[in-house]
Amino acid sequence: DADVTQTPRNRITKTGKRIMLECSQTKGHDRMYWYRQDPGLGLRLIYYSFDVKDINKGEISDGYSVSRQAQAKFSLSLESAIPNQTALYFCATSENRVSTDTQYFGPGTRLTVL
Amino acid sequence: GESVGLHLPTLSVQEGDNSIINCAYSNSASDYFIWYKQESGKGPQFIIDIRSNMDKRQGQRVTVLLNKTVKHLSLQIAATQPGDSAVYFCAENIDAGNMLTFGGGTRLMVKP
Repeated sequence: DADVTQTPRNRITKTGKRIMLECSQTKGHDRMYWYRQDPGLGLRLIYYSFDVKDINKGEISDGYSVSRQAQAKFSLSLESAIPNQTALYFCATSENRVSTDTQYFGPGTRLTVL
Repeated sequence: GESVGLHLPTLSVQEGDNSIINCAYSNSASDYFIWYKQESGKGPQFIIDIRSNMDKRQGQRVTVLLNKTVKHLSLQIAATQPGDSAVYFCAENIDAGNMLTFGGGTRLMVKP
């Protein structure tokens, strides 16, 4: 059983549509993250949350919003999708440990915006 | 700005040979490093990590070496197998606040 799950796994949408990507984890971790990955590039941080009441912008938060509904759930929204948001999106989790906090990733969502 | 990077975007090795994947970092304040493996269609998978107070750490068939003098990190895979074919990322933790910065990745191709 996967510890970090993402839905949907694939999504094709049109410019201007609102899209929500869901992430759930059974690891009991406090911290959750959303990244995007573009071809040939590393992972770039969109938003992160260190607990249910904590939301922080990452490197590339413009055009995105998030909601931490519970410790186990962290969703990413694109209010009005645009083609350059076509990418692979990954959710990750980590424990609340200082300085050696490994992040564990979900399987990813492939989003295409036409 | 400071960033994590990789020397070689693609590495091709013969099955059974050893592989070495390199990573350069520029932030001397980085205190924790992780190597991830990403297979096609999957999310990054943790391989091995190392703290800045160490220069070597070994796992099963993998070894990570850290040279703080030249800010260089490497991942060594012994007896490379076809299942090792993937993209490998290094990542650094800069401020102990668990914000990882990832390199662009190296693709490892294993020839039978």
